[in-house]
Amino acid sequence: EPEVTQTPSHQVTQMGQEVILRCVPISNHLYFYWYRQILGQKVEFLVSFYNNEISEKSEIFDDQFSVERPDGSNFTLKIRSTKLEDSAMYFCASSPGQPGETQYFGPGTRLLVL
Amino acid sequence: AQSVTQPDIHITVSEGASLELRCNYSYGATPYLFWYVQSPGQGLQLLLKYFSGDTLVQGIKGFEAEFKRSQSSFNLRKPSVHWSDAAEYFCAVGITQGGSEKLVFGKGTKLTVNP
Repeated sequence: EPEVTQTPSHQVTQMGQEVILRCVPISNHLYFYWYRQILGQKVEFLVSFYNNEISEKSEIFDDQFSVERPDGSNFTLKIRSTKLEDSAMYFCASSPGQPGETQYFGPGTRLLVL
Repeated sequence: AQSVTQPDIHITVSEGASLELRCNYSYGATPYLFWYVQSPGQGLQLLLKYFSGDTLVQGIKGFEAEFKRSQSSFNLRKPSVHWSDAAEYFCAVGITQGGSEKLVFGKGTKLTVNP
């Protein structure tokens, strides 16, 4: 069964450093998402991406964040200058497209900012 | 504003007992509703979803949920819990805007299963 994959599974970085989290969505899906889950809190929407542009972004997704689909398979989340409060589990998800379609989640990348 | 409330932070049941996890949503339009499960250190796995039609939906692992529009609820049930069901359960509503859809999650209910 096709699945969403994410790399790395864990990343430790110093405050102020740039990180890139990588995702490979399911191949025939059209919509891509990033969510994050701070330890002990609920999963929060960050951004949705369709047709090579951002469809919607949350208040969390400020200028420090960017997303890109550099080729036909990868979908990346970049944090330009990490802060302590960026420490969280970051989930990538993809869906075939229509509202109500299931979003399939990857296993997540646990980011720790020191 | 759209929101999902899961009033029970933690529930403990005995193996073989029945289970009901509560979920209430706030959304002006017809909701798309989802239940996901997260095992420790794992990602989110879809258990079931309500899109339209029959208000009682069946999912994987013997779970079912009932959509009640009048109560704005989408409670998850299982008649007999197994030890492997111990996990955290998240209810979510799909919010459609501009052609894309984001999921708004509740805070989750952690399920402990006693032998």
